[in-house]
Amino acid sequence: AQSVTQLGSHVSVSEGALVLLRCNYSSSVPPYLFWYVQYPNQGLQLLLKYTSAATLVKGINGFEAEFKKSETSFHLTKPSAHMRDAAEYFCAVSVRSGNTGKLIFGQGTTLQVKP
Amino acid sequence: DVKVTQSSRYLVKRTGEKVFLECVQDMDHENMFWYRQDPGLGLRLIYFSYDVKMKEKGDIPEGYSVSREKKERFSLILESASTNQTSMYLCASCPLRQGYEQYFGPGTRLTVT
Repeated sequence: AQSVTQLGSHVSVSEGALVLLRCNYSSSVPPYLFWYVQYPNQGLQLLLKYTSAATLVKGINGFEAEFKKSETSFHLTKPSAHMRDAAEYFCAVSVRSGNTGKLIFGQGTTLQVKP
Repeated sequence: DVKVTQSSRYLVKRTGEKVFLECVQDMDHENMFWYRQDPGLGLRLIYFSYDVKMKEKGDIPEGYSVSREKKERFSLILESASTNQTSMYLCASCPLRQGYEQYFGPGTRLTVT
């Protein structure tokens, strides 16, 4: 069965520091992978997605993620954290269901940014 | 811009009440989904629908039902609300083909007392 594991339920960084949020997936076929962000009391917003084109994917707000098939990983990074990046982040993999697809989400990682 | 709207942001209901959560999308998407979100558990799929009047159970369908009479609208029904259904409920939509991102509504925070 396909699954997603996010390592670390809470990550804390200082403003200006590197952000690294880890995501590992299991998939028997080439996956579609997504990172979403959720700000307090809001729905989820797409940050970026991998759909088997370039392995380094750039998203919104300065985030990017690298697909590494050998490591079954899709870690999210940002060179320099801003206070506004404090939010919850979800990694997801698309799985086939009949003639369509649905998403399997990781447990989420809460990013805290300290001044 | 894709818009997914949910009928209420906050809802308080009593145990045993029948609860309706409504979701509407304006992008003519075939797929619609209902999730519940609980701390430490991420998003768990309750039900989804890939066409009008069609529905599929997700991972946690017990205690819930759904209705899709029109393409743009997907309703989640709690037949007899219980306190363990207190949660954040999120609706999403996307095109039929696998690989498209899902677009989410703002969520409904339901409290059952």
